[in-house]
Amino acid sequence: GESVGLHLPTLSVQEGDNSIINCAYSNSASDYFIWYKQESGKGPQFIIDIRSNMDKRQGQRVTVLLNKTVKHLSLQIAATQPGDSAVYFCAEIPGGTSYGKLTFGQGTILTVHP
Amino acid sequence: DGGITQSPKYLFRKEGQNVTLSCEQNLNHDAMYWYRQDPGQGLRLIYYSQIVNDFQKGDIAEGYSVSREKKESFPLTVTSAQKNPTAFYLCASSIVPDRAKNIQYFGAGTRLSVL
Repeated sequence: GESVGLHLPTLSVQEGDNSIINCAYSNSASDYFIWYKQESGKGPQFIIDIRSNMDKRQGQRVTVLLNKTVKHLSLQIAATQPGDSAVYFCAEIPGGTSYGKLTFGQGTILTVHP
Repeated sequence: DGGITQSPKYLFRKEGQNVTLSCEQNLNHDAMYWYRQDPGQGLRLIYYSQIVNDFQKGDIAEGYSVSREKKESFPLTVTSAQKNPTAFYLCASSIVPDRAKNIQYFGAGTRLSVL
């Protein structure tokens, strides 16, 4: 199967629980962040984005929180379902770039147990 | 996969051989990107193109080459100079290469292995 995800942080939850996936970034000048979901053998899929002038943004069953003070980003998934099992990546646009070059985090494996 | 088609899904390369990965998009996006993904790592940028007939090296361009003759197409060639080509290759595109809001949409990927 797909070998993406070896040695990545993992999170295991029960179906119906809420999940929180964390991401730390290093560039204090980054001003735009995206969360992607990648299922085994597929390309990353856009989930939600947030600009640095916001602290929180909500989508359908997902919420992204941004704490610029500690350079921390989190993705909250409500009522997690088995179909949410995947690798989740955060990505940022570092400051100083002349265009939207994304820098991706390492990823977190989310496993949802029925 | 949002109108981005990568082919083939699986590809095998013999030692010393160049191979080309195809990426086509019908989203009318200006910018296109190639990433490499290895186990336990995030995506690393190989090359990107903001406009037709122009492209720039990313973080790991050595051993790779690209062309952008058409807006819809951004093929990646893995040359024999790339000594460790085994990886999952992902192509992406975005409406504009503007840093303000650059949601990149990805294809399904090509898995390249060395024989």
